Amino acid sequence: ETGVTQTPRHLVMGMTNKKSLKCEQHLGHNAMYWYKQSAKKPLELMFVYNFKEQTENNSVPSRFSPECPNSSHLFLHLHTLQPEDSALYLCASSRDSGTEETQYFGPGTRLLVL
Amino acid sequence: GEDVEQSLFLSVREGDSSVINCTYTDSSSTYLYWYKQEPGAGLQLLTYIFSNMDMKQDQRLTVLLNKKDKHLSLRIADTQTGDSAIYFCAESRAGRRALTFGSGTRLQVQP
Repeated sequence: ETGVTQTPRHLVMGMTNKKSLKCEQHLGHNAMYWYKQSAKKPLELMFVYNFKEQTENNSVPSRFSPECPNSSHLFLHLHTLQPEDSALYLCASSRDSGTEETQYFGPGTRLLVL
Repeated sequence: GEDVEQSLFLSVREGDSSVINCTYTDSSSTYLYWYKQEPGAGLQLLTYIFSNMDMKQDQRLTVLLNKKDKHLSLRIADTQTGDSAIYFCAESRAGRRALTFGSGTRLQVQP
């Protein structure tokens, strides 16, 4: 079904914890994305990586730290989060193409910050 | 207002057609997408249309694009209970890699 996997699927953490979300794509794509989906807002783009280089940071607080070691893997490191950071975090990937930006999404990590 | 707007909720009977509407504001949109999200799942790409097209049909799905009015619709023929989900409209813009999403329309299919 999906060539984009995310782990863990569910995560509960305290405000002082440090955790990481992982995303892996098996589609041979070169661009990867982090989105945040919360109950009260439309999907919000957080970060974009293209060929391992960060090309977009959508004014995301520094308590979220992305890492892209290669075109197939993307991480989101979390530390000292706030309860309002509780949301579904979605990873996506796309080909590096100038004509089509079709993005394929993973199942998401549902995060609860206590 | 929001860049991409959708109505929040639609209820239809099984076997009827569903029409989900979307309006966008950016005339430089290149591709417009429809994604489906089932409970507890990520977004599944349903279909997309290039901005120079008026219509695209894919089995039970028909996408209509009125570029003049910046209006996009998704018609689902013979709606089934398995079509119950949230449907997101999204646009891509030239020179910007990320998509802009609407808030989603929750489709409820009643047996």
